[in-house]
Amino acid sequence: DGGITQSPKYLFRKEGQNVTLSCEQNLNHDAMYWYRQDPGQGLRLIYYSQIVNDFQKGDIAEGYSVSREKKESFPLTVTSAQKNPTAFYLCASSGSEFNEKLFFGSGTQLSVL
Amino acid sequence: SQQGEEDPQALSIQEGENATMNCSYKTSINNLQWYRQNSGRGLVHLILIRSNEREKHSGRLRVTLDTSKKSSSLLITASRAADTASYFCATETNDYKLSFGAGTTVTVRA
Repeated sequence: DGGITQSPKYLFRKEGQNVTLSCEQNLNHDAMYWYRQDPGQGLRLIYYSQIVNDFQKGDIAEGYSVSREKKESFPLTVTSAQKNPTAFYLCASSGSEFNEKLFFGSGTQLSVL
Repeated sequence: SQQGEEDPQALSIQEGENATMNCSYKTSINNLQWYRQNSGRGLVHLILIRSNEREKHSGRLRVTLDTSKKSSSLLITASRAADTASYFCATETNDYKLSFGAGTTVTVRA
């Protein structure tokens, strides 16, 4: 079955630690996105990539980093510079049209120990 | 403040009733999309309506768009328990930014 797989489902970060969230898709989509969701709020865009080896900052990129070395994979690293990392992180992809009909993974809940 | 805002924040209806929620936005858009999110899960795309369209249907869903009022509505007819979820509108503005609202939480009572 085609889809997006995020792992892990739950992740805990210690003070000063970097953590990496995995996102893999087998939909052959060019564009991939990372969003952050806080309780009772809409999604906020962290980073996006429209093509392999290229990515752009979204609205809240500070304290995060990404890579896009393969079409299928778009991992997100939450660095120690992100002082308020507790949130639900969602990865998405889209096909022929950028920003349309996004397919989402099931999310990763990141909490700080 | 957000580009798109849903109203109401929460909605509780009886199974079989219709549910209507609205989305208002501030600046001109290319398209408006509605998504559903079940608790603790990712979002699922429901329907996309372009700025030159006024109404679209998909199964029990009906979406309208009024660009003069900068608003959209999502109607779910004959609701079911499985429709219990949060519903988000997302607007793509002319600068190709996609913005999500804070959502409407719908509870369908059996």
